[in-house]
Amino acid sequence: GQQVMQIPQYQHVQEGEDFTTYCNSSTTLSNIQWYKQRPGGHPVFLIQLVKSGEVKKQKRLTFQFGEAKKNSSLHITATQTTDVGTYFCVFGNEKLTFGTGTRLTIIP
Amino acid sequence: GAVVSQHPSWVICKSGTSVKIECRSLDFQATTMFWYRQFPKQSLMLMATSNEGSKATYEQGVEKDKFLINHASLTLSTLTVTSAHPEDSSFYICSARVLANSYEQYFGPGTRLTVT
Repeated sequence: GQQVMQIPQYQHVQEGEDFTTYCNSSTTLSNIQWYKQRPGGHPVFLIQLVKSGEVKKQKRLTFQFGEAKKNSSLHITATQTTDVGTYFCVFGNEKLTFGTGTRLTIIP
Repeated sequence: GAVVSQHPSWVICKSGTSVKIECRSLDFQATTMFWYRQFPKQSLMLMATSNEGSKATYEQGVEKDKFLINHASLTLSTLTVTSAHPEDSSFYICSARVLANSYEQYFGPGTRLTVT
């Protein structure tokens, strides 16, 4: 079946530094979604990308979908302590398949 | 936004007993809900798709006789872990879609199950 790998698995950054997580699929995806899960919490939907090469921004967050629709990235500019959590790329129309996730910790 | 609740938020049970977890959509109707399991520091794994008024669809490797799912109404799905064992200890999360034409899913707060 389809597999979605994320790198890095863990990322520790100083507050104010940038952060990027990458998502790679073995097959072409019809869409990609990103979710954030705070420690002890549940996943919360961030965004959905559908078009090849699509770029979307949400304040300090920039999401990209690769031209071949096999990879995606999430970039956070000037991280804040509220950005702490695990970021998952997810694919699927109804049944969701979660990527392996990237756990972000912030050093104040 | 749409709200999904789960009850209980955490439960401790003895090995061999059964535990029921409820998932409710509070302000919308959900013909389909999903059940996930998440072990510590791991990703979410889809266990089954719960369909209102019909049998649940289980993912490969998930025992349907052990994880009983009932979707009795458009706002309630239940997951019963039968004859629980310590290896069933995990974080169980349900989700639902609000709109049929939207990919976005809303997740419940999760239920942490500890089997002693």
